[in-house]
Amino acid sequence: DIQMTQSPSSVSASVGDRVTITCRASQGISSWLAWYQQKPGKAPQVLIYATSKLQSGVPSRFSGSGSGTDFTLTISSLQPEDFATYYCQQAYSFPITFGQGTRLEIK
Amino acid sequence: QVQLVQSGAEVKKPGASVKVSCKTSGYSFTNYGISWVRQAPGQGLEWMGWIGASIGNTNYTQKFQGRVTMTTDTSTNTAFMELRSLRSDDTAIYYCARDHNGRLDPWGQGTLVTVSS
Repeated sequence: DIQMTQSPSSVSASVGDRVTITCRASQGISSWLAWYQQKPGKAPQVLIYATSKLQSGVPSRFSGSGSGTDFTLTISSLQPEDFATYYCQQAYSFPITFGQGTRLEIK
Repeated sequence: QVQLVQSGAEVKKPGASVKVSCKTSGYSFTNYGISWVRQAPGQGLEWMGWIGASIGNTNYTQKFQGRVTMTTDTSTNTAFMELRSLRSDDTAIYYCARDHNGRLDPWGQGTLVTVSS
């Protein structure tokens, strides 16, 4: 199975800050990576797929990059509604696997 | 719009089985797969498996092999996930999600399954 490792596990930031979350795959996954946002009590929602493609309706302050084994999710200017938990997910091969999550908290 | 609506919360005793449904609408059901993902209280996301809605082919993660069965009913555009021999550590929210080449979107609202004696 492909292991996905996110860092940091949690981060505190302020509105307007730029935040970057990283995700490392245990083997190459080409560009088969997605990012999800989950708010308390809600189902996850996809933000980015295929490493850098922005899901329809997702604000442009979210962006993704990387390839192979190393990937990043960047939020260019944090808004109050962005405080949530973020997960990366590889779709290169079964079984699909997720990172352990990054909790983004208000400083 | 595309919607996935799951069945309601369940309380089961250890050793029992649970079957969660996921009724879809707003898209061509047989053109996509359905993935099932669970989330234990306060924990991360755990993928359980996938089913192709058109022919019912499945791929289960090894952890659940032999205990899980995923099916679809193309007459009602509904997917089902049955988990048997329930244990206390199966207590979790179970989600279905439309699967398009590994992109899971959208997700159902989730079904809380509680396993308790």
